[in-house]
Amino acid sequence: AQSVTQPDIHITVSEGASLELRCNYSYGATPYLFWYVQSPGQGLQLLLKYFSGDTLVQGIKGFEAEFKRSQSSFNLRKPSVHWSDAAEYFCAVGGTGFQKLVFGTGTRLLVSP
Amino acid sequence: DAGVIQSPRHEVTEMGQEVTLRCKPISGHNSLFWYRQTMMRGLELLIYFNNNVPIDDSGMPEDRFSAKMPNASFSTLKIQPSEPRDSAVYFCASSPTGERNTIYFGEGSWLTVV
Repeated sequence: AQSVTQPDIHITVSEGASLELRCNYSYGATPYLFWYVQSPGQGLQLLLKYFSGDTLVQGIKGFEAEFKRSQSSFNLRKPSVHWSDAAEYFCAVGGTGFQKLVFGTGTRLLVSP
Repeated sequence: DAGVIQSPRHEVTEMGQEVTLRCKPISGHNSLFWYRQTMMRGLELLIYFNNNVPIDDSGMPEDRFSAKMPNASFSTLKIQPSEPRDSAVYFCASSPTGERNTIYFGEGSWLTVV
């Protein structure tokens, strides 16, 4: 069965510092990988996605993620965090043969001044 | 482009009452999903439809919950009778064919059962 692990429940980063959120997945074939962001009181917004090809994918709001098959990881990064990035971030995995995404439990990002 | 539209955005109801949540997916999307989000259980998939047909309802918590999709542009999630433990945010999401599982979420319906 497919699964996603986000090992960090909370992360606090200073404004202007770099950010990396971890995501590990379990799936037997080539995965489709996603990062979503949820601001308070809002729905989930798609940040970026990986299907195939270049393992470094760029997303909206200056985010990027790198697919590493050997580590079954798809970590999200941003070089300089802004206070408006404070939100909850969800990693998800999909794949051929099944239509639904499997989501991780989320990582809450706090940004300190 | 209009996104996934959900109504009501907020609802407070008394225990035992019927609750109906509504969703209009993005035009042209052929898959529709209902999720529930709570602090305790996180994001749970309740049911999803493909071409208006329910494909997997294994996440529906119990018989009090039902979902329908009478046409490609409308779906409902009904809770009857409602209980306080049903208090949650209910998200509808839709996905187009060919975008490899990419789903687009609505803003959610915030349900409080007192």
